[in-house]
Amino acid sequence: GEDVEQSLFLSVREGDSSVINCTYTDSSSTYLYWYKQEPGAGLQLLTYIFSNMDMKQDQRLTVLLNKKDKHLSLRIADTQTGDSAIYFCAESFGIYQKVTFGTGTKLQVIP
Amino acid sequence: EPEVTQTPSHQVTQMGQEVILRCVPISNHLYFYWYRQILGQKVEFLVSFYNNEISEKSEIFDDQFSVERPDGSNFTLKIRSTKLEDSAMYFCASRSGSPSATNEKLFFGSGTQLSVL
Repeated sequence: GEDVEQSLFLSVREGDSSVINCTYTDSSSTYLYWYKQEPGAGLQLLTYIFSNMDMKQDQRLTVLLNKKDKHLSLRIADTQTGDSAIYFCAESFGIYQKVTFGTGTKLQVIP
Repeated sequence: EPEVTQTPSHQVTQMGQEVILRCVPISNHLYFYWYRQILGQKVEFLVSFYNNEISEKSEIFDDQFSVERPDGSNFTLKIRSTKLEDSAMYFCASRSGSPSATNEKLFFGSGTQLSVL
């Protein structure tokens, strides 16, 4: 079955870049997503990439996709304290585009 | 930006009671989903719904669970007899279903925190 793995925790200093990594198993993924969840809040879609793309940049966010290694990363440039949250990698596939989420990476930004 | 709305934001119930979680998906969307997140764990798929029927469901979605689109705007999740382990944040999501790539993303609601005592 499909599986999405992430490291649990990342700590960075304010102003540095953050890189959150994710691996997935299903090679038939259509879209790969990054969601942000702040404490007690819902899931906010940050960005997504179609599976035939290698890279997508959106302001401070850069998504890199290595389909061969089934590896997805999210780089946040100039990380701010407001970026502190849990970041979920997710993939969708199949006719109904069911989304499978990773375990989430808690990003802590140190002022 | 359009929003998926979920009510209530927090629901407390006694074990064995029935609960209905309500969602209003985005108006022109065709695909609807429920997910749940037990505290500290990953977000898990429960069920997807399209064309007025369940299109896919997970092992979690057993006979105690049901979904309904009663009136063309609401999408509900019913748990018939709640158990302690049903305590979780329940997220509703919807998707337009357009063939266009830019319309494929899921829009999530802010969730309903269900506490079963």
